[in-house]
Amino acid sequence: GAGVSQSPSNKVTEKGKDVELRCDPISGHTALYWYRQSLGQGLEFLIYFQGNSAPDKSGLPSDRFSAERTGGSVSTLTIQRTQQEDSAVYLCASSLAHESSTQYFGPGTRLTVL
Amino acid sequence: DAKTTQPPSMDCAEGRAANLPCNHSTISGNEYVYWYRQIHSQGPQYIIHGLKNNETNEMASLIITEDRKSSTLILPHATLRDTAVYYCIVREPNAGNMLTFGGGTRLMVKP
Repeated sequence: GAGVSQSPSNKVTEKGKDVELRCDPISGHTALYWYRQSLGQGLEFLIYFQGNSAPDKSGLPSDRFSAERTGGSVSTLTIQRTQQEDSAVYLCASSLAHESSTQYFGPGTRLTVL
Repeated sequence: DAKTTQPPSMDCAEGRAANLPCNHSTISGNEYVYWYRQIHSQGPQYIIHGLKNNETNEMASLIITEDRKSSTLILPHATLRDTAVYYCIVREPNAGNMLTFGGGTRLMVKP
């Protein structure tokens, strides 16, 4: 079956521009997670959506970062006024509601801020 | 989450079984053993998990000792595409939002 998909796969932008990253979770998965991973580093949690509950935004590094999840499915991560330190691979994962330890990851979006 | 210990690296010949060990001596009764891997330049990939019985799926087998203090992930016929960092974690099935991985084992499958 279809896995988690993300778009674009690569994004190059100039410092100060806004970017939007998209995630399509596995159908039926009510939990959706955003992480980022810098080169050679571990996963950094950003935000978590579960059903209609308020998202857990505790991992967002600054107010330039925001995310939405419309209709309980597709999610968009927006980074405003991008900085060079935002360059990383942004990963989306989804899971069933009560199985947060079994997360299925998308291929990621590689963001490069020049 | 309970702490796990894995060897930092292992080699395996292509076509042979890769046996990746993990120690988790402080595992609690509600915690499962999960395995993920991360191939270079890709996102993490869930492999398998288990509580106390041995488990098998299309990717791998998981052998958990009777005292649950250690486990082994077995890739029965390793291919070059199995070269990756393999992470063993112990968690309850709904332990919270974020996954965190330790150092893992860097498996190199060689021709």
